[in-house]
Amino acid sequence: NAGVMQNPRHLVRRRGQEARLRCSPMKGHSHVYWYRQLPEEGLKFMVYLQKENIIDESGMPKERFSAEFPKEGPSILRIQQVVRGDSAAYFCASSERLADYNEQFFGPGTRLTVL
Amino acid sequence: DQQVKQNSPSLSVQEGRISILNCDYTNSMFDYFLWYKKYPAEGPTFLISISSIKDKNEDGRFTVFLNKSAKHLSLHIVPSQPGDSAVYFCAASAQRSGSRLTFGEGTQLTVNP
Repeated sequence: NAGVMQNPRHLVRRRGQEARLRCSPMKGHSHVYWYRQLPEEGLKFMVYLQKENIIDESGMPKERFSAEFPKEGPSILRIQQVVRGDSAAYFCASSERLADYNEQFFGPGTRLTVL
Repeated sequence: DQQVKQNSPSLSVQEGRISILNCDYTNSMFDYFLWYKKYPAEGPTFLISISSIKDKNEDGRFTVFLNKSAKHLSLHIVPSQPGDSAVYFCAASAQRSGSRLTFGEGTQLTVNP
């Protein structure tokens, strides 16, 4: 029973390029969450998705950031025209269902470095 | 606006002793609390959780205590082991806001042999 998978584990981009981060939830999980951890800080919620739907994107910057979770395939977090301040660890988590406070299980993260 | 705070960035204890990690929150709408453990270069790993209808939850060496009136929770690890050395994050959620988690800044626990 594989856990949450994220790739790539490390991503280096130059300013102005696009970064695309992928997340495959645990088998049977239909809820995906993206969090960002800046250096020396805790994780900050970005977006919550179910299959083909964005449920809550209140933590996502209004510009340059987008997320999707298609019917088939992994969830994608896309950052356009990256800036140095986007350098962080991006974690994906999945859960089985919304009700009853199911725990979120995290992937290993993608460490994005913007040069 | 830091709604979940872990005021101790680090804690050092001897192997075999008790580790107590603290967490305070300000949002009275939070009704579910979790503790995660994180090793470097890995994602957070779920440890233990507690609903606001309880004041204590125990799982092996780990116990979480919740004091709603003080808006405070703590994680006790007894006995502490060197393998427990990691960063511990407190997290909270409110049913009305769905399952989004609000994390504290983390506490680095070091257990010395």
